[in-house]
Amino acid sequence: GAGVSQTPSNKVTEKGKYVELRCDPISGHTALYWYRQSLGQGPEFLIYFQGTGAADDSGLPNDRFFAVRPEGSVSTLKIQRTERGDSAVYLCASSWTSGGATDTQYFGPGTRLTVL
Amino acid sequence: AQTVTQSQPEMSVQEAETVTLSCTYDTSESNYYLFWYKQPPSRQMILVIRQEAYKQQNATENRFSVNFQKAAKSFSLKISDSQLGDTAMYFCAFMKQKPNTGNQFYFGTGTSLTVIP
Repeated sequence: GAGVSQTPSNKVTEKGKYVELRCDPISGHTALYWYRQSLGQGPEFLIYFQGTGAADDSGLPNDRFFAVRPEGSVSTLKIQRTERGDSAVYLCASSWTSGGATDTQYFGPGTRLTVL
Repeated sequence: AQTVTQSQPEMSVQEAETVTLSCTYDTSESNYYLFWYKQPPSRQMILVIRQEAYKQQNATENRFSVNFQKAAKSFSLKISDSQLGDTAMYFCAFMKQKPNTGNQFYFGTGTSLTVIP
């Protein structure tokens, strides 16, 4: 596709439920990033994939959060036992590679997660 | 640790006028990159302009330019001839290059810019 896409656009769930958020990066981009943006804040790094592997997951807040990218393209962010504090916009970004001097991250429109 | 500070939560400018958004950062790195991203209500983060720290010349993209002061760790964005479509949240971002584990981005808290007709 022309840009990074994310589905769903909005997700409302109840406390304790499991949710999956999907990211489709720009075709050919090998690097993929997940960020969380809380109200009134800038995006905060969660996890980075280079190809199929998670090269850096240091931003995941706890073990309820997990992400996969099994074929090196689409990625899914999974949140177990959701809590009200998980409510935020989850942004995905991709770039051609990562670690390169000219890598620019292109962002998707995000998924707004609301935990009731 | 890297921090990015945007001290202006909200700003407004008259259409066709010029406005400057401030950003300061703190780092011990010598080689890094700085960005300004625009986030309209659609939530899509759009790259506005990028600056390499090793370049002394300030980056320019049409109506957007930066004033990069490396010693002061300051990176302000100037928008000339403001247009209604410039209304958005603007985020300053710092990127540390990490070839093995991925470039890491750090964002400020944003400045909400409103262009008044």
